[in-house]
Amino acid sequence: AQSVTQLGSHVSVSEGALVLLRCNYSSSVPPYLFWYVQYPNQGLQLLLKYTTGATLVKGINGFEAEFKKSETSFHLTKPSAHMSDAAEYFCAVSSTSGTYKYIFGTGTRLKVLA
Amino acid sequence: DGGITQSPKYLFRKEGQNVTLSCEQNLNHDAMYWYRQDPGQGLRLIYYSQIVNDFQKGDIAEGYSVSREKKESFPLTVTSAQKNPTAFYLCATTQGWNTGELFFGEGSRLTVL
Repeated sequence: AQSVTQLGSHVSVSEGALVLLRCNYSSSVPPYLFWYVQYPNQGLQLLLKYTTGATLVKGINGFEAEFKKSETSFHLTKPSAHMSDAAEYFCAVSSTSGTYKYIFGTGTRLKVLA
Repeated sequence: DGGITQSPKYLFRKEGQNVTLSCEQNLNHDAMYWYRQDPGQGLRLIYYSQIVNDFQKGDIAEGYSVSREKKESFPLTVTSAQKNPTAFYLCATTQGWNTGELFFGEGSRLTVL
């Protein structure tokens, strides 16, 4: 069965500091991987996704993530945090076997300190 | 504009009442999903539908029901059998597994008084 683990339910960084949000997955088949962002009382917005090809994926708002098959990881990074990055971030995996199911991590709430 | 519309945004109900949450999409996507979100638990799948007139239970389907009579619409009914219905409910769609990403509505917050 597929699963997603996000280490750290809360992460705090100073404005201008590196953002690193961790995501590890388990999957018996090559997965599709996603990062989403959610602002309070809103739906989720896609930041970036990995399907096939280049393992370093660039997304919106300066975020990027690297798919590392050997480590089963898909960590999200941003070189310099902005106050507007404060939100909740979700890592997700979908099956490539056509089951249409998506599995989400429990989320990491990012706080940006002035 | 293309998108997913969920209504109502906020809903209050008394215990023992059924309530229906609406989800409408004009993205022409085949697959639609309902997720429940509780603090610290991420998103949990309630039901999903790959095609009109067909749907499957997700991980927490008990106390919920759905229908998929039209491609654009996938309403969720929270029944009185759902023991703890207070939550944030999210509807999502996708074109299909070979495209990948889910598109989300703005959510509906249900509070049971």
